[in-house]
Amino acid sequence: DAKTTQPNSMESNEEEPVHLPCNHSTISGTDYIHWYRQLPSQGPEYVIHGLTSNVNNRMASLAIAEDRKSSTLILHRATLRDAAVYYCILRDVGGTASKLTFGTGTRLQVTL
Amino acid sequence: DGGITQSPKYLFRKEGQNVTLSCEQNLNHDAMYWYRQDPGQGLRLIYYSQIVNDFQKGDIAEGYSVSREKKESFPLTVTSAQKNPTAFYLCASSIDRAGGRELFFGEGSRLTVL
Repeated sequence: DAKTTQPNSMESNEEEPVHLPCNHSTISGTDYIHWYRQLPSQGPEYVIHGLTSNVNNRMASLAIAEDRKSSTLILHRATLRDAAVYYCILRDVGGTASKLTFGTGTRLQVTL
Repeated sequence: DGGITQSPKYLFRKEGQNVTLSCEQNLNHDAMYWYRQDPGQGLRLIYYSQIVNDFQKGDIAEGYSVSREKKESFPLTVTSAQKNPTAFYLCASSIDRAGGRELFFGEGSRLTVL
């Protein structure tokens, strides 16, 4: 199964942009890139996903490298509420297995 | 409001006892999933179901069992064969199994074995 690699932790100041990287060098052509975030003792929350093109929604932007071997989640203006663990995962488009394994993610700390 | 409901939120069990965690969704989703999370770790897939009356093992299915008799329900039984069952259990669903579909998660059930 294709796996992802993320830094263990990152820090940001409030109101500053945050770029969270994710490497997925073994990604296949049919894998979607998904991002979720999790607050302590809560279930993960969907953030954004994409296949090849960059994506924007009200929460964040997703920049996907041209070779698709890496991606970056962009929070345009971090707030204290954005402090969470962010997971980058891959999901097979065909869904024959649709296995979704979450790694340890990136713990984002946001300070005043 | 539509969503996923897990119960109980907290559960204590003695060693050797089976326990069943409930997961109900009113989103009309075909696919449902069970994950386990240990402190400081990511989520590991236990079982998943892509449609009613069908389910497959995930990465760590040993010591667990599931059923999918109704579209909206996907209960997880933690059996006495599970050697280290204390963990945070998360249920999720998606419209279908396709890779472009987002996952919706419940609030989790925290199981502690005494």
